[in-house]
Amino acid sequence: SQQGEEDPQALSIQEGENATMNCSYKTSINNLQWYRQNSGRGLVHLILIRSNEREKHSGRLRVTLDTSKKSSSLLITASRAADTASYFCATVGVSGGYNKLIFGAGTRLAVHP
Amino acid sequence: SQTIHQWPATLVQPVGSPLSLECTVEGTSNPNLYWYRQAAGRGLQLLFYSVGIGQISSEVPQNLSASRPQDRQFILSSKKLLLSDSGFYLCAWSRETSSSYNSPLHFGNGTRLTVT
Repeated sequence: SQQGEEDPQALSIQEGENATMNCSYKTSINNLQWYRQNSGRGLVHLILIRSNEREKHSGRLRVTLDTSKKSSSLLITASRAADTASYFCATVGVSGGYNKLIFGAGTRLAVHP
Repeated sequence: SQTIHQWPATLVQPVGSPLSLECTVEGTSNPNLYWYRQAAGRGLQLLFYSVGIGQISSEVPQNLSASRPQDRQFILSSKKLLLSDSGFYLCAWSRETSSSYNSPLHFGNGTRLTVT
């Protein structure tokens, strides 16, 4: 079963706008990770936020985590056409063992020039 | 730096034929290794993971098997492919650390398998 569920499933914006994607999960977590996938390629790790962190930044990316609501959001500011990709959240359960990341179905982001 | 190689990039195989996908990692030792499958427009399904040579854990009962003959080599196999085995197969590695839960995954570029 999927642990993380992204919302929306698809998002279409213009260059320069901000893009916000949300992720909800079901069980307690140690950390939550966001990945990006260009069409037909492997996933690339973007950012990891630990369960005791509330916000994290990396360049134009801002990730928030609300463990009380079991949700996270990924904000891409001043989007570019090159940001067009699918974005996935992934979580590891507290009792999961090893590093068994469970991925959601992803948000497909299209940034139009 | 670490790199991961996965091949072939695309594969078209008839139903009932065998399968062998290979993944190798360079620049690190004793990595955790993973095979995921991605259906079109969907998330990733964890198929197998390995924490060491000969140590394979299967997440989903299926027509596939995995082996790790060397520390940095991970192979996905099938004796007889089914139509439902079509998909995008991704190999990944992560560091073996004392806090494995916090290690990000590093993915290969995937193999697009079409079973006809």
